[in-house]
Amino acid sequence: SQQGEEDPQALSIQEGENATMNCSYKTSINNLQWYRQNSGRGLVHLILIRSNEREKHSGRLRVTLDTSKKSSSLLITASRAADTASYFCATGNSGNTPLVFGKGTRLSVIA
Amino acid sequence: GAVVSQHPSRVICKSGTSVKIECRSLDFQATTMFWYRQFPKQSLMLMATSNEGSKATYEQGVEKDKFLINHASLTLSTLTVTSAHPEDSSFYICSASSLSYEQYFGPGTRLTVT
Repeated sequence: SQQGEEDPQALSIQEGENATMNCSYKTSINNLQWYRQNSGRGLVHLILIRSNEREKHSGRLRVTLDTSKKSSSLLITASRAADTASYFCATGNSGNTPLVFGKGTRLSVIA
Repeated sequence: GAVVSQHPSRVICKSGTSVKIECRSLDFQATTMFWYRQFPKQSLMLMATSNEGSKATYEQGVEKDKFLINHASLTLSTLTVTSAHPEDSSFYICSASSLSYEQYFGPGTRLTVT
């Protein structure tokens, strides 16, 4: 069953603006990951944050994790048209357990 | 990073026929592989967990006799959709795990049943 809920479900912004997506989950986790998926394509792994981390950066991406609120956010700064995609959070425990995906946020960046 | 391939990338089949999808870990041994299904504009839903040398574990609501999973080696798992119907049309994605936190996803297989 799905654990995560992302909001917003859809987000449309102008190029250059920042995009923030949120994810909430229900049970305890070891890590939380964010993925990008272009229409009709496979998943691209963006970033993993462990339960003992609060914030992580990778290029234009910033991810936060608040285990007390069971929530995470993904911030994409200075967005580009190429960032247009669906973004999913996924929670996991160990490598041998499946990831549980949120419903995703469809991001449209307008040039 | 590690590479996982899927074959075929796209397949169209007639209703009532069976289709086999392969998932391979190309540069690492995967003790566990997972099969997900994604309907249009929806998220990924876990179908089953496949462990090398043992029977797959299916999620509730997934028919094990319809979706046959074989994990015969540490680098290959196959999903066979038997007696496919149009409602089985979906995007099937596998992932492979090597005991690390990160799972490596295949590029997916688009199945269309006519």
